[in-house]
Amino acid sequence: QSALTQPASVSGSPGQSITISCTGTSSDVGAYNYVSWYQQHPGKAPKLMIYDVNKRPSGVSNRFSGSKSGNTASLTISGLQAEDEADYFCCSYAGRSTYVFGTGTKVTVL
Amino acid sequence: EVQLVESGGGLVQPGGSLRLSCAASGFTFRDYWMSWVRQAPGKGLEWVANIKQDGSEKNYVDSVKGRFTISRDNAKNSLYLQMNSLRADDTAVYYCARGTSDIPDWGQGTLVTVSS
Repeated sequence: QSALTQPASVSGSPGQSITISCTGTSSDVGAYNYVSWYQQHPGKAPKLMIYDVNKRPSGVSNRFSGSKSGNTASLTISGLQAEDEADYFCCSYAGRSTYVFGTGTKVTVL
Repeated sequence: EVQLVESGGGLVQPGGSLRLSCAASGFTFRDYWMSWVRQAPGKGLEWVANIKQDGSEKNYVDSVKGRFTISRDNAKNSLYLQMNSLRADDTAVYYCARGTSDIPDWGQGTLVTVSS
């Protein structure tokens, strides 16, 4: 149950695209198509942005997209906006009804 | 509108116990897996435990096994987390969450501080 590895920070200018990686193992990210991504603004509860690797909940902007290759999942934010500045966490199913979160990435809009 | 309201957090000494509660409304509570997720100050999210709709299956992160117990009362639309033998590294905001593999609804969290 080790945390998934994410870069500590990613930055970009308004309008640019950025990608956040989430690296796990063949026992979690690599084994299941149950990767989700959460956005968290300071002092707020997390918000679901992507689930099942690449599905968007109703109401989430289509600027957010997810993908997976092997043991690494990715979240891409296109057309970066000031409101996207937040912490982002990935989460993967790890078998036997257990889950593991990523270490978190701080996104800064320059 | 889904609402999840946690209570029961506070300051407790190492080795002590605390029981967190989560009052749920706005959805059919008995139809959903429920989870507890925590976040230490300035740190990332950590999945703690989850419980099946009828309470027949419960799962925990290794670091709390044998110390924490998740439970639910579907008649009262409530989720609980009994925390025993608390340690300093259990200090965190504890979130009640609807679902397990993808969590669309979260409470605002309750802060648990373990310190002497």
